[in-house]
Amino acid sequence: GAVVSQHPSRVICKSGTSVKIECRSLDFQATTMFWYRQFPKQSLMLMATSNEGSKATYEQGVEKDKFLINHASLTLSTLTVTSAHPEDSSFYICSAPQGGTDTQYFGPGTRLTVL
Amino acid sequence: QKEVEQNSGPLSVPEGAIASLNCTYSDRGSQSFFWYRQYSGKSPELIMFIYSNGDKEDGRFTAQLNKASQYVSLLIRDSQPSDSATYLCAVNPNTGNQFYFGTGTSLTVIP
Repeated sequence: GAVVSQHPSRVICKSGTSVKIECRSLDFQATTMFWYRQFPKQSLMLMATSNEGSKATYEQGVEKDKFLINHASLTLSTLTVTSAHPEDSSFYICSAPQGGTDTQYFGPGTRLTVL
Repeated sequence: QKEVEQNSGPLSVPEGAIASLNCTYSDRGSQSFFWYRQYSGKSPELIMFIYSNGDKEDGRFTAQLNKASQYVSLLIRDSQPSDSATYLCAVNPNTGNQFYFGTGTSLTVIP
């Protein structure tokens, strides 16, 4: 299957700082990528849809000014958690549909801990 | 009503048995159906996808789709302890690339 990478895999930061997470499609181009958040023992929650060349689409209840998304190229989307707080600690996962299909492949995830 | 529903489990089966995981969806126009496996602390990985009514087999896994009943299932034959994970059902309602995910069924295979 297609390969999606994320960086970093784990990050610990102080409250009030910003954290950038990168999502890359390594062997295909993705005009759309998805960002999810998952709290322990809970299901995936879609946060936003990242669109190459245009603004991201955010799900209801997700603050677009806090979770900044930039889809800079056909292989890279970034999620920046601004002014992070302990309640933002979670597992952030991106996914991308492989070109020509609707099959989504997930990145390995980024575990964010805000102290 | 949730778009995709799964029995959260936990489902326990003995090693070597068949595990049956079920999923129903609400959007009758949905065209694509996916099963993902998620180990604790890891991201989901694709197991299978199915588009047409009937069965689709891949090794020990069989996906079954019944669009009339809006039902999709995953059978795991000869279950192994390494199959212990949460299984996510995902549906593409054909309104774009966005998926709707079920909450997942936790499976434990007992040695």
